[in-house]
Amino acid sequence: GAVVSQHPSWVICKSGTSVKIECRSLDFQATTMFWYRQFPKQSLMLMATSNEGSKATYEQGVEKDKFLINHASLTLSTLTVTSAHPEDSSFYICSARDPSGRRTGELFFGEGSRLTVL
Amino acid sequence: AQTVTQSQPEMSVQEAETVTLSCTYDTSESDYYLFWYKQPPSRQMILVIRQEAYKQQNATENRFSVNFQKAAKSFSLKISDSQLGDAAMYFCAYRKSNTGNQFYFGTGTSLTVIP
Repeated sequence: GAVVSQHPSWVICKSGTSVKIECRSLDFQATTMFWYRQFPKQSLMLMATSNEGSKATYEQGVEKDKFLINHASLTLSTLTVTSAHPEDSSFYICSARDPSGRRTGELFFGEGSRLTVL
Repeated sequence: AQTVTQSQPEMSVQEAETVTLSCTYDTSESDYYLFWYKQPPSRQMILVIRQEAYKQQNATENRFSVNFQKAAKSFSLKISDSQLGDAAMYFCAYRKSNTGNQFYFGTGTSLTVIP
């Protein structure tokens, strides 16, 4: 079964509004979660690394004021797309690794969130 | 910097036949993990198979196996007895084992299974 859950799966919003996407680890505590963006038929682009209890680490070129990440607990990270514009429309995927060592090395992915900005 | 290259954007295979997806990577590390992930049309990525670089034996998971050539930095995925449900995007990924968090993904191979 899924060990990382993402919500919502689909979201449509008007330009200028903000959208929050949640990512939860279901059966392990994730001190670190990763947020990716995926364009159609392309690979995953790492946007940021979310660290529990501290600031996220953003990849070069990713606007941290536009893509707000909060990792307030060991099982929840949120990505908020602020003042969304049509060019922000994309598929956003979160992931996490189980640090306990039970499943060495594997990265678990959420179901993904399709954002459409009108 | 680590890079992962998948040189086959698209592949097709006849149902019940065997197909091999290619992946090469670049690293100066000696210890790392390699993965193949599958992203079906439902879009959730799932792990297909994993290989630890220190293991010489190629990983196998049922119909899926890898050909890991460490010196050549090659990590191909073989799918035997292909099934319609194998149709998906396949991503090769690399992770350095010690610092551990960042994964590097290839650009993906879209696999079509022909009935």
